[in-house]
Amino acid sequence: QKEVEQNSGPLSVPEGAIASLNCTYSDRGSQSFFWYRQYSGKSPELIMFIYSNGDKEDGRFTAQLNKASQYVSLLIRDSQPSDSATYLCAVPSGGSNYKLTFGKGTLLTVNP
Amino acid sequence: DTAVSQTPKYLVTQMGNDKSIKCEQNLGHDTMYWYKQDSKKFLKIMFSYNNKELIINETVPNRFSPKSPDKAHLNLHINSLELGDSAVYFCASAYSYNEQFFGPGTRLTVL
Repeated sequence: QKEVEQNSGPLSVPEGAIASLNCTYSDRGSQSFFWYRQYSGKSPELIMFIYSNGDKEDGRFTAQLNKASQYVSLLIRDSQPSDSATYLCAVPSGGSNYKLTFGKGTLLTVNP
Repeated sequence: DTAVSQTPKYLVTQMGNDKSIKCEQNLGHDTMYWYKQDSKKFLKIMFSYNNKELIINETVPNRFSPKSPDKAHLNLHINSLELGDSAVYFCASAYSYNEQFFGPGTRLTVL
């Protein structure tokens, strides 16, 4: 099993809909989880991080963590065309909190 | 006021040449990273330094040599460039093992 897996997409949603992005990880010892957004030709930027089981909300973004199922998701409510980007899930792995392993990313397109 | 900066932004060179990429952060972070993002957009860690000490050294050809003269700088030198080295190289920094902040990237093209 790959260390961090994401549904590769592409995922296409209409403007105003909820976009749901999923990520599973293999290292049960992972304690922190990060979601990055990367626009085409740009660098990744952090949009959410979560450490505890449950939901964490920040504006239109909600991160959901289930450590028992080794699953972390990102929900984007009221999706906007400006949300169109690749979303990368990142999890510490290899026994080091310093080493982030990134998923391959999910390309999201929000259609006006 | 740029947080993490890299130079150059673009680098086009011939196979066999040696080149360097520089990275600087003004966030006061103690940890810096080099990542490689290939044509399929897969982002993979290469090296990490914490307080100028190498703490992560992934399976990278020894043609790649990082150097951290101080906590705010991390450079990457690449010897004998090969076609497969063409990619975007990102520098990132963090305070300890917290959230990482990325630089704008250096697009390396080897001809």
